[in-house]
Amino acid sequence: GAGVSQTPSNKVTEKGKYVELRCDPISGHTALYWYRQSLGQGPEFLIYFQGTGAADDSGLPNDRFFAVRPEGSVSTLKIQRTERGDSAVYLCASSRGLAVYNEQFFGPGTRLTVL
Amino acid sequence: SQQGEEDPQALSIQEGENATMNCSYKTSINNLQWYRQNSGRGLVHLILIRSNEREKHSGRLRVTLDTSKKSSSLLITASRAADTASYFCAGSGAGSYQLTFGKGTKLSVIP
Repeated sequence: GAGVSQTPSNKVTEKGKYVELRCDPISGHTALYWYRQSLGQGPEFLIYFQGTGAADDSGLPNDRFFAVRPEGSVSTLKIQRTERGDSAVYLCASSRGLAVYNEQFFGPGTRLTVL
Repeated sequence: SQQGEEDPQALSIQEGENATMNCSYKTSINNLQWYRQNSGRGLVHLILIRSNEREKHSGRLRVTLDTSKKSSSLLITASRAADTASYFCAGSGAGSYQLTFGKGTKLSVIP
């Protein structure tokens, strides 16, 4: 596709439930990143992939968060036992590869609300 | 922790005026990227400036970088109402590809 796409655009769930958020990167981009953004704040890094492997998952807040990219393209961010504090906009980005001068292009985000 | 810190937090100007937003960062960077965000959703990439560059232009945008002061500025000339958005700087540090963002500057351009 022309840009990074994310589904769903909005997700409302109840505390304790499991959610999956999907990201489809720009075609040909091998690096994929997940960030989350709370109201009034800048995005915060969660994890990034080069190909199928997670190159850096140091931003994942705890073991309830997990992300996969099994075929090196689409990625899914999975959150178990959701908590109200997980409510945020989850942003995905992709870049041509892992290089210091590669721009990261962002998708529209998924707004997650945990009731 | 936040790498970039934008200043001012909010800026309101008349259409046609120039808008200047500043960004300070804490640690050494490989590059600094500026983004625009409308209505708290997707970020639009504006400019990437490398650590060995001092100035970069793109249309009505001009970005400067002063690595000795660990600061950058974004200038939007001849602003338009459509420029109303939040603007973020984000740095990528040595040995890392993750971006670390500031809290952003909220720009309002009044028609």
